[in-house]
Amino acid sequence: GAGVSQSPSNKVTEKGKDVELRCDPISGHTALYWYRQRLGQGLEFLIYFQGNSAPDKSGLPSDRFSAERTGESVSTLTIQRTQQEDSAVYLCASSLARGTEENTEAFFGQGTRLTVV
Amino acid sequence: GEDVEQSLFLSVREGDSSVINCTYTDSSSTYLYWYKQEPGAGLQLLTYIFSNMDMKQDQRLTVLLNKKDKHLSLRIADTQTGDSAIYFCAESGSFDAGNMLTFGGGTRLMVKP
Repeated sequence: GAGVSQSPSNKVTEKGKDVELRCDPISGHTALYWYRQRLGQGLEFLIYFQGNSAPDKSGLPSDRFSAERTGESVSTLTIQRTQQEDSAVYLCASSLARGTEENTEAFFGQGTRLTVV
Repeated sequence: GEDVEQSLFLSVREGDSSVINCTYTDSSSTYLYWYKQEPGAGLQLLTYIFSNMDMKQDQRLTVLLNKKDKHLSLRIADTQTGDSAIYFCAESGSFDAGNMLTFGGGTRLMVKP
């Protein structure tokens, strides 16, 4: 597709349930990032995938959060046993491999708005 | 760890210039970015500056970087009502860091007609 695609765009779930969020990066982008944006706040880094390297999981807030990426394509972010504080917009971004100034731009998806009730 | 700070709110009149300021703490920042977020929309990259530059101009946008003070600003000339949005400053470290972005909390720009 032309841009980064995320689904669903909105998700309402009950506390304690598991949710899975999907990100389709721009074709050919080897780097993929997940961020979380709580209401009225900036973006928090969650996890970063680069090609076949081990992901950088340093931003995941707890072991209830996990993410996978198959090769250089789709990524899923899973939140187990959701809590109300998990309510936020989850943004995915992708970019070309690092190395040149032209490759530095990260393109963002529209985000998934997660509401835990 | 890295920290990026921005003021929360700025209000200007249509036609005036807007200046949004940002400070950061990571001295190894390689790129500094300005993103725009309109209501209900994703993040849009407006412009970025490499850390060895002092200034970058792109149409109505001027980015100034004071690396010594770790201060970044975005000036929007002839601000229009369509510029009303939240503006995020972000930085990334070396390429070895994978271009991971650290964002400020965002500055809400309100443009009054």
